[in-house]
Amino acid sequence: NAGVMQNPRHLVRRRGQEARLRCSPMKGHSHVYWYRQLPEEGLKFMVYLQKENIIDESGMPKERFSAEFPKEGPSILRIQQVVRGDSAAYFCASSPRLAGDPQYFGPGTRLTVL
Amino acid sequence: KNEVEQSPQNLTAQEGEFITINCSYSVGISALHWLQQHPGGGIVSLFMLSSGKKKHGRLIATINIQEKHSSLHITASHPRDSAVYICAVQPNTGNQFYFGTGTSLTVIP
Repeated sequence: NAGVMQNPRHLVRRRGQEARLRCSPMKGHSHVYWYRQLPEEGLKFMVYLQKENIIDESGMPKERFSAEFPKEGPSILRIQQVVRGDSAAYFCASSPRLAGDPQYFGPGTRLTVL
Repeated sequence: KNEVEQSPQNLTAQEGEFITINCSYSVGISALHWLQQHPGGGIVSLFMLSSGKKKHGRLIATINIQEKHSSLHITASHPRDSAVYICAVQPNTGNQFYFGTGTSLTVIP
C-alpha cells in the first residue's frame, strides 16, 4: 500500500506562470488536506477536500489559489500567476474516512518562484 | 497566540545524550502527532497519541491530556536524529491540524 504521493517534488516557475501541484492519497482514503510551509515558518492549513467537494477552504488565499479533488485522479492545488511569495513547501495529507481519522503526509512539493 | 507552542526552538546535543522536546497546546484535541522533517525533505509521522505513552525504538512520546502537554524523548541520540521535530494537534472540532513551529535538533558526533 503506497503512501501519499505528491508530484512534482520540486517545481520552478517564473513570476506570472501557473503552478499545478498533484496529490494522490493513500489507497482507500477519500479525504485530502493541503498545507503550506513558508520559509522559516511553521505549517499552515490551506484546504480540506473530499471527493468532488471542498469542505473547508478557510486557509486558502482568496485570489489565485484553487483546489480540487475529482472523482477520478489526484487532488490538484493550482496557483495562478505565481509571485515570489508563493515559494514554499506544499504538503498534502490524506485520511481514510472521517475528519478525526489520522492523517498521513506526503513528501511535499517544493515550489520556487523566480 | 499560537494554539501549539514548542520548546526549545533549537537544540544542539552531543551524540549519546538524552533529549526532550516539549509541546503545549491550548485547544481540546482528539489526537496529538509528532512529526519529523529532515532538511529539504518530506514529513514523517513518528507518533499519534491520544493518551499515555508510546515507544518506538529510541523514541518515546508522552501526553498529559489534563495538562495539555506532550513530550518527545530521544534516548542515546545519534547524528542521524538531526532534523526538525514538529508537534501537531488534531482539535476535537474543525478539520485542520494546528502545528508548532518546530524544534530544530542537531546532534554532534
